[in-house]
Amino acid sequence: KNEVEQSPQNLTAQEGEFITINCSYSVGISALHWLQQHPGGGIVSLFMLSSGKKKHGRLIATINIQEKHSSLHITASHPRDSAVYICAVYQGSQGNLIFGKGTKLSVKP
Amino acid sequence: DAGVTQSPTHLIKTRGQQVTLRCSPISGHKSVSWYQQVLGQGPQFIFQYYEKEERGRGNFPDRFSARQFPNYSSELNVNALLLGDSALYLCASSLNSGNSPLHFGNGTRLTVT
Repeated sequence: KNEVEQSPQNLTAQEGEFITINCSYSVGISALHWLQQHPGGGIVSLFMLSSGKKKHGRLIATINIQEKHSSLHITASHPRDSAVYICAVYQGSQGNLIFGKGTKLSVKP
Repeated sequence: DAGVTQSPTHLIKTRGQQVTLRCSPISGHKSVSWYQQVLGQGPQFIFQYYEKEERGRGNFPDRFSARQFPNYSSELNVNALLLGDSALYLCASSLNSGNSPLHFGNGTRLTVT
């Protein structure tokens, strides 16, 4: 079993829909990252969080440390949101990030 | 301010050869980490360096090595290349070695034939 599991693996949505991507992890962590990767390969860090909730524009990330679960929400989705969204957990001081396999999101106009 | 830069962007090598990939962090960032991303998979942690010292190492063979220079730039070396080393190699920098936001480069796509 992977230490970081994401669901769904693939997601197709219509423009304007509310989207949720889930991440569950089985190890103790000090922080969780949500990353966005476009087809060219470059990765952009969206959020780093260790508790509660963060919001940036149409993106919201939440984390429940007790349940070892995080969600990434996209409100009013747009075709430019189409990308792979990756959850990664940071275990401790040795810099070891453990990544999920990613969720491929496609938003249709 | 320049972001994280990686060079080269693409590289084709033959089995058994050696390769060196380079990464320049964002100015002021002292931590550099390296990741391998095989097609269709999430990235895998290879190394983290902070203040020129290795702070973490992933589950990769000794053919993989890295170093960080006084200016905080970093090199990843892979010896005796195998076909399975074909991947996107990503570098990320952060302010320190702890819980700091990561800034990724665009990666080096290595193809081993």
